[in-house]
Amino acid sequence: GAVVSQHPSWVICKSGTSVKIECRSLDFQATTMFWYRQFPKQSLMLMATSNEGSKATYEQGVEKDKFLINHASLTLSTLTVTSAHPEDSSFYICSSGLAGNQETQYFGPGTRLLVL
Amino acid sequence: SQQGEEDPQALSIQEGENATMNCSYKTSINNLQWYRQNSGRGLVHLILIRSNEREKHSGRLRVTLDTSKKSSSLLITASRAADTASYFCAMTTGGFKTIFGAGTRLFVKA
Repeated sequence: GAVVSQHPSWVICKSGTSVKIECRSLDFQATTMFWYRQFPKQSLMLMATSNEGSKATYEQGVEKDKFLINHASLTLSTLTVTSAHPEDSSFYICSSGLAGNQETQYFGPGTRLLVL
Repeated sequence: SQQGEEDPQALSIQEGENATMNCSYKTSINNLQWYRQNSGRGLVHLILIRSNEREKHSGRLRVTLDTSKKSSSLLITASRAADTASYFCAMTTGGFKTIFGAGTRLFVKA
């Protein structure tokens, strides 16, 4: 089946630094990828929709200048958390679906970010 | 809130009992999916039900969908301790966007 990978799987950084998280579709082309954030004991919240070759669409309340999304190719989307602060500590998950198939999304394993 | 609603928020049962979780949503959907997540881990896809389907089975799982009430339920029969996890419904709307429910934390006591 389709596989989505994320890198890194976990990262610890100091407050004020920027962190880049990669999301790759390993065996299929993904024109659209989605980024979610999950705080402890909570559900996944959709942050943004990443479109290959165009600007990402952000959900209400998500700062686009804080969470930079780049989808430069059909197999890679990146999320950069700029000037990270402890409140940005969370589990970040990406997902994608097969082109032309709106039924099933494939989720990455997630990236755990801890900002000290 | 962009989330769907789920109840109960938490459920504790004995091994062998059935567990039922409910999900409600607000907008029209293309399909609804149920996922499982063990603590601190990624999502595991359990089952997908399309908007024109009413019931679906997969092993010990039974999912129903009532689009008129905008609700779905997940039934796990003959639960096992290994079923202990959080369960989320996820609604896919037009444009392939998927919104998650708040989740139900299931604890199955051995």
